Amino acid sequence: DADVTQTPRNRITKTGKRIMLECSQTKGHDRMYWYRQDPGLGLRLIYYSFDVKDINKGEISDGYSVSRQAQAKFSLSLESAIPNQTALYFCATSDDSGAGVYNEQFFGPGTRLTVL
Amino acid sequence: KQEVTQIPAALSVPEGENLVLNCSFTDSAIYNLQWFRQDPGKGLTSLLLIQSSQREQTSGRLNASLDKSSGRSTLYIAASQPGDSATYLCAVSTSGTYKYIFGTGTRLKVLA
Repeated sequence: DADVTQTPRNRITKTGKRIMLECSQTKGHDRMYWYRQDPGLGLRLIYYSFDVKDINKGEISDGYSVSRQAQAKFSLSLESAIPNQTALYFCATSDDSGAGVYNEQFFGPGTRLTVL
Repeated sequence: KQEVTQIPAALSVPEGENLVLNCSFTDSAIYNLQWFRQDPGKGLTSLLLIQSSQREQTSGRLNASLDKSSGRSTLYIAASQPGDSATYLCAVSTSGTYKYIFGTGTRLKVLA
């Protein structure tokens, strides 16, 4: 089984709709991240969370919100989707326990979101 | 503000060639640097991570080096194979924040 999973894998929605992307992990990591990837722009950080009670904005948080429901779950919401939010979205985790390589990131398979 | 650049953006080489991918960053106060591979439409697979106190890391045919003072890392791929065709991304985490900043990647094509 994959260590970091994302649902849905593909989603097509319309402008103005609310949509939630979900991420779950079985790695036991405290740190979780949401990125978006656009052609030519690389990956950009939307939000990150270093534990269940800690939520931080990344470089492009406008139009997005997140919820850290548990150590293993981190959801990204688009309250009112717009076409320029069409992108590939990735969830990632990293370890701060010292058990593995500190802060090495592990990625989920991505969600391809299209907003019409 | 940390900026990460990868040159070239695309590279095409014949099978068997040794090659070097470059990654440069503007702020030398990094915590670690991670190289990833991404196949088209897929997620990112971690290849190598170099901590700020290290100079290089090796895994199979891959070797990554880090020179913090010059703001550079290189990923060396020995005896390239068509299966190495993918986009290679480097990402840098800055000391104190532990967030990663990504380069835009080098798209590699190895020709059979």
